[in-house]
Amino acid sequence: AQSVTQPDIHITVSEGASLELRCNYSYGATPYLFWYVQSPGQGLQLLLKYFSGDTLVQGIKGFEAEFKRSQSSFNLRKPSVHWSDAAEYFCAVVPDTGRRALTFGSGTRLQVQP
Amino acid sequence: GAGVSQTPSNKVTEKGKYVELRCDPISGHTALYWYRQSLGQGPEFLIYFQGTGAADDSGLPNDRFFAVRPEGSVSTLKIQRTERGDSAVYLCASSSGLAGVGEQFFGPGTRLTVL
Repeated sequence: AQSVTQPDIHITVSEGASLELRCNYSYGATPYLFWYVQSPGQGLQLLLKYFSGDTLVQGIKGFEAEFKRSQSSFNLRKPSVHWSDAAEYFCAVVPDTGRRALTFGSGTRLQVQP
Repeated sequence: GAGVSQTPSNKVTEKGKYVELRCDPISGHTALYWYRQSLGQGPEFLIYFQGTGAADDSGLPNDRFFAVRPEGSVSTLKIQRTERGDSAVYLCASSSGLAGVGEQFFGPGTRLTVL
């Protein structure tokens, strides 16, 4: 079945430490790939996207993600986490079928320790 | 306004009642989406409008759910005979015709509680 999987429900890191959030997808062809962030009381915000080309994409707030076709993964990374990064992070896809709606993973909640 | 707005922010209703949730998209955005987010889950797609018409309503769970966008801007999601399982945060998003696929701007959501 087509799906987006975020295996980590909850991650805690120390401020200043590096971060990697995992995302795997299960689609026949490479879908369009996205990472969104949801902060308390705020709407979902697009961090970055991958359509094609360079497999390392840069986003806002110092985030980047790497697409690995062989692993069907699109992991989100940040070299040094700030306390304000505490939020829920969602990986999402748009299957390359002409549809426009996003299919989201179940999310990873990031907690940042001082 | 500058962003997508949704009203009300919270709605509490009783089982069996009818509710309407409103979404004001970013001015000029032709595409509008409704999603539903249950506790601990990612948002799930409900319906997508391009202009006034529903281009994709494959995510509506059953015929108790209906949405309109009569003038191509504001949209209303309507739920008849509400059930406790309808309790969730209902999210609206919009995007412009020039935006890339998946680049959607989300509102803060309406939290619906069905008692």
